[in-house]
Amino acid sequence: KAGVTQTPRYLIKTRGQQVTLSCSPISGHRSVSWYQQTPGQGLQFLFEYFSETQRNKGNFPGRFSGRQFSNSRSEMNVSTLELGDSALYLCASSPGTTRVAKNIQYFGAGTRLSVL
Amino acid sequence: SQQGEEDPQALSIQEGENATMNCSYKTSINNLQWYRQNSGRGLVHLILIRSNEREKHSGRLRVTLDTSKKSSSLLITASRAADTASYFCATDGSGGYNKLIFGAGTRLAVHP
Repeated sequence: KAGVTQTPRYLIKTRGQQVTLSCSPISGHRSVSWYQQTPGQGLQFLFEYFSETQRNKGNFPGRFSGRQFSNSRSEMNVSTLELGDSALYLCASSPGTTRVAKNIQYFGAGTRLSVL
Repeated sequence: SQQGEEDPQALSIQEGENATMNCSYKTSINNLQWYRQNSGRGLVHLILIRSNEREKHSGRLRVTLDTSKKSSSLLITASRAADTASYFCATDGSGGYNKLIFGAGTRLAVHP
């Protein structure tokens, strides 16, 4: 199976702009989660989508949003970019359906966003 | 916010030596996982240990979990240069199995 694919890999934007990142999960996986990784804050959970619905949400401002399509592909949008939004954005997928306490996530290579 | 702390923040060893990393967390968990990240790339799942397990092995990896102390350790035996990476523990946050809360990570450097 192909792994989790994130596009683009690198992105440079200026303050005030908006950006959309894309994630294609592993075939058959219905859960897609997004994480932000920065040197100062480490890895932080943004949100999770399952069957086109946001199921979990982290503590990020409303400028960060996402959506999931019927084919499980997901996009993440950040509006009105700030310098502090510069980070590696990681997408992860999992089957998401098991009720057993197993939530292994499979990560993409990430999108590195630089805000100037 | 991060679930807990990892110790040490950085570890430098020679090939063939064992590497031990520790992780502490704050809340009750269903399971704890360890992930590896190579130089700013995506994370790779290494091993998962459930809250009712105390020890688990996978190849050269050994993970222990002490729920009474809210801590876990990852042991990599006979380290290789290819093990050079950052290692993170992750717990399931409240509200959902797929909301992972990561520790700060340990940077491991294995020298030939």
